[in-house]
Amino acid sequence: EPEVTQTPSHQVTQMGQEVILRCVPISNHLYFYWYRQILGQKVEFLVSFYNNEISEKSEIFDDQFSVERPDGSNFTLKIRSTKLEDSAMYFCASILDRANSPLHFGNGTRLTVT
Amino acid sequence: GENVEQHPSTLSVQEGDSAVIKCTYSDSASNYFPWYKQELGKGPQLIIDIRSNVGEKKDQRIAVTLNKTAKHFSLHITETQPEDSAVYFCAPAGGGGNKLTFGTGTQLKVEL
Repeated sequence: EPEVTQTPSHQVTQMGQEVILRCVPISNHLYFYWYRQILGQKVEFLVSFYNNEISEKSEIFDDQFSVERPDGSNFTLKIRSTKLEDSAMYFCASILDRANSPLHFGNGTRLTVT
Repeated sequence: GENVEQHPSTLSVQEGDSAVIKCTYSDSASNYFPWYKQELGKGPQLIIDIRSNVGEKKDQRIAVTLNKTAKHFSLHITETQPEDSAVYFCAPAGGGGNKLTFGTGTQLKVEL
């Protein structure tokens, strides 16, 4: 069964540095998402992306965050200047269409900001 | 925005028993009601979902029941097995989109 893949599985960075988290959604899917999960807490929506633009974003997704689909297969999340509180699991997800398809999640990237 | 709560937060059952987890939500426009299972170190995996035109759906040992009037839906697992041990999240969505609002999670432990 096709799956969403994320790299790296674990990223350690220093406060203030830029990070890029990478995702390869399922190939025929059209809608893409990023969620995050702070350790021991619930999964929170960050942003949705369709037709090469952001369709919705949460309050968490401030100017330090950006997303891009650079080449038709990858979907990236960039954090410009990381803060300690950005430490979390970041999950990418994709969906075929918005009507009746379930959301498929990757296994996440654990981001640790020191 | 949507306010989603799950009960209980932890649930311990003996192997073979049934487990029930309840999810309440606030947005009456919600029309899609999935349950996700998250094992340690992995992403959420969809285990069952239901749409607002259906009251109950069953898939082998797993079932979901929906009460739109009361704004809650429940996950039922029968004949629990140790491999059912995980964190379970409800994540209702509405408005025609798939922006899921996750509940607070329920840690299910199935003991031998």
